[in-house]
Parts: sequence; structure tokens; C-alpha cells
Amino acid sequence: AQRVTQPEKLLSVFKGAPVELKCNYSYSGSPELFWYVQYSRQRLQLLLRHISRESIKGFTADLNKGETSFHLKKPFAQEEDSAMYYCALRDNTDKLIFGTGTRLQVFP
Amino acid sequence: DARVTQTPRHKVTEMGQEVTMRCQPILGHNTVFWYRQTMMQGLELLAYFRNRAPLDDSGMPKDRFSAEMPDATLATLKIQPSEPRDSAVYFCASGSGQNYGYTFGSGTRLTVV
Repeated sequence: AQRVTQPEKLLSVFKGAPVELKCNYSYSGSPELFWYVQYSRQRLQLLLRHISRESIKGFTADLNKGETSFHLKKPFAQEEDSAMYYCALRDNTDKLIFGTGTRLQVFP
Repeated sequence: DARVTQTPRHKVTEMGQEVTMRCQPILGHNTVFWYRQTMMQGLELLAYFRNRAPLDDSGMPKDRFSAEMPDATLATLKIQPSEPRDSAVYFCASGSGQNYGYTFGSGTRLTVV
């Protein structure tokens, strides 16, 4: 079955600390993976796509097919990074399947 | 910067009333999604359309929910009759083609009392 798992509901770090938000997926085909961010009571915004291999706001994510993971990383967290982060998988019918999300809190 | 527009932004209604939420996808986008977000369940896919045709609405309670795309510029989600457990934020998203993410609207925050 297709599934996206984000094992951490909450991740708290201090400003300047490294951050890694975990995402694992289960999908029989070739996955297309995304990270979305949702700042307080706002809309979801696309942060990263695995195919573009880009870095947005200092965040990067690498697809590891062997470990079926797509973890989101940032070397130095900022207070403005505090938000909900959702990992998502697009299947071959274009359906976007979300994980349950991880709330990142960055303390000053 | 193209946006997905959802109306209304907030809706408070009494149990049993009909609720209609509207979404204007980005011009040219041929895939439209409806998601429901709650604290307990997170983001649930309710229904989605491609080229206005419904592809999957298995996530939607059929007895009270209905989703339509009367034209390419409008998607609607109706609840009739509404119940307190329908209280949530309902998001619409649109997109087109492969290798792109989907753009989300600002959501409709529904409260059924």
C-alpha cells in the first residue's frame, strides 16, 4: 500500500542547531516526493521536489531509494523555520499522499 | 504570482445546514484536489479531478458530501446536511503535468455548531 510516514509529531531545536525531519515512504513504483511547509494557520506551500534537487531556504532533501526515505535537512535552524512540515508522495495517478506532518519548533 | 482562490475563508453554520465551498484553480491547471485538515486526522484527500472529470472520491462520505467542477475555473465541495464532525479546514489544490508540485489555496475554515 502507498504510504508516507513521518515518525515525529514534534521536533524542537534551538536556533543554529541542525535539523532533520524524517520521512519514509512505501510505494511499489518510482516515487515522486515533495516537502510542503505550513506556517501558522496558512496554506501549504511547496518547499522542495526531489527531482529538482534544489535547496530552498537552506533546506535540502535527498531521495534514498534503498532506505525508502526522503529526509529534510537544514544545517542551521532559524526561528522563522518554525512551522508544520509535510512529506508527500505523488503516485502514478497524480494523487498526492501526505504524511501526518512534523511540527518544527525553533527556540531562540 | 498565480494563486488558487478559495471562498469563503471562514464559515460558521448550524448543524443540518448546507455548506458550499468554492475553489478557483490556477488558469491552465488541469488537476484539482480537495483536502480536509483536522488536528486528529491530518490531511485527508477527499476528491480529485483531472480535466474536470472526477478521478477518485473514495475519501469522501458519499451520503453528505459532493464535489463537482461545473467548468475549468470552478470547483465546488458541498456538504448537506452538515454535522459538527465536519468542522475542519478544507483546502483546494491545483496543478498540471508531471514534475511539478501542486499549489494550495488558503483554505476554508468550517465550523459546524
